Amino acid sequence: AQSVTQLGSHVSVSEGALVLLRCNYSSSVPPYLFWYVQYPNQGLQLLLKYTTGATLVKGINGFEAEFKKSETSFHLTKPSAHMSDAAEYFCAVTERVYNQGGKLIFGQGTELSVKP
Amino acid sequence: KAGVTQTPRYLIKTRGQQVTLSCSPISGHRSVSWYQQTPGQGLQFLFEYFSETQRNKGNFPGRFSGRQFSNSRSEMNVSTLELGDSALYLCASSWATSSYNEQFFGPGTRLTVL
Repeated sequence: AQSVTQLGSHVSVSEGALVLLRCNYSSSVPPYLFWYVQYPNQGLQLLLKYTTGATLVKGINGFEAEFKKSETSFHLTKPSAHMSDAAEYFCAVTERVYNQGGKLIFGQGTELSVKP
Repeated sequence: KAGVTQTPRYLIKTRGQQVTLSCSPISGHRSVSWYQQTPGQGLQFLFEYFSETQRNKGNFPGRFSGRQFSNSRSEMNVSTLELGDSALYLCASSWATSSYNEQFFGPGTRLTVL
């Protein structure tokens, strides 16, 4: 069965510092990988996804993530944190299936705080 | 283009009652998925509907059910509510021709069971 582990339920960085949110997955076959962000009292918004091809994926708001098959990881980074990045971030995976919607399996989430 | 809408946004019920939540997907999307979000269990998949048929189901008891209408709008129903059903229920829609299609989430319905 697939599973997702996000290291650190809470990460705090200073404004302008590097953001690194860790995600590891467990799956017999490399899945599709996603990062979502959730702001308070809102739904989830897709930051980026990896399906195939280039392993470094660029997303919205300056975020990027690198798929490393050998490490079963998909860590999210941003070179310089902004106050508006404070939110909860979820890593998710889904099986590679066609003609079917994805059943997203989520990690427990990492709450990112940004200090001025 | 309007996003995914969910009604109501907030709901308070008592144990033993039943509740129906509604979701209107983005125009043109035929897949609707439901997720439960709680502090303890996180985000968990409930079920997915496509063209009025349930295509995928998570590990929830039969008290949780859903349906989809011909216009792709979806409802989920929870019968015999328990305190543990208090959660944010999120609906997501997508084209769903493949599992890599992005799921667009609504703002959720926050259900409180007293």
